[in-house]
Amino acid sequence: GAVVSQHPSWVICKSGTSVKIECRSLDFQATTMFWYRQFPKQSLMLMATSNEGSKATYEQGVEKDKFLINHASLTLSTLTVTSAHPEDSSFYICSARDGATTYNEQFFGPGTRLTVL
Amino acid sequence: AQKVTQAQTEISVVEKEDVTLDCVYETRDTTYYLFWYKQPPSGELVFLIRRNSFDEQNEISGRYSWNFQKSTSSFNFTITASQVVDSAVYFCALSEAPSGNTGKLIFGQGTTLQVKP
Repeated sequence: GAVVSQHPSWVICKSGTSVKIECRSLDFQATTMFWYRQFPKQSLMLMATSNEGSKATYEQGVEKDKFLINHASLTLSTLTVTSAHPEDSSFYICSARDGATTYNEQFFGPGTRLTVL
Repeated sequence: AQKVTQAQTEISVVEKEDVTLDCVYETRDTTYYLFWYKQPPSGELVFLIRRNSFDEQNEISGRYSWNFQKSTSSFNFTITASQVVDSAVYFCALSEAPSGNTGKLIFGQGTTLQVKP
């Protein structure tokens, strides 16, 4: 089955530093990748949609300069949280859409837990 | 606008009881997809089912069953003879039709199911 990996699975950083999270589709080509954020006991909120080779589309209220997304290849998308602050602490989940399928199933990564001190 | 509502925030049952998780959705599209995901304490989303808007057949998979009713815009999920391992957060989600859009998922608020031994 389709597998999506995320790295790292958890990260702790100091306030003001930048953190990069990788999302990889391991056995399929992901024409579209999505980044979600989930605060404790809340639902997943879509942050942005990225298509390979083009700029990401950010949801309303998401700072594009703070959350940098790069989708350089069909198997890799990265999310960089720049100048992280404690309020950025959250569970970040990526998903990838298989361009070869005719329906909208997304395959989710295991998530990255970010803690900013 | 698209919306998914899971009115039940938390449900607690005793093992072997049946439990139904409600999901009501709103969309103007005639073609769309509905999903259910399970999120155990580890955080990784587990895909349970996908249903397209043209398929109103109910589905059964082991102890799990789904009731899709377009007339009431509902896609309810029933667990029969619940087990402790079913304890998790369950999300219902809605996706637009694949053509001409990104296929992003709109998640409900989630229902936390606790199954007590």
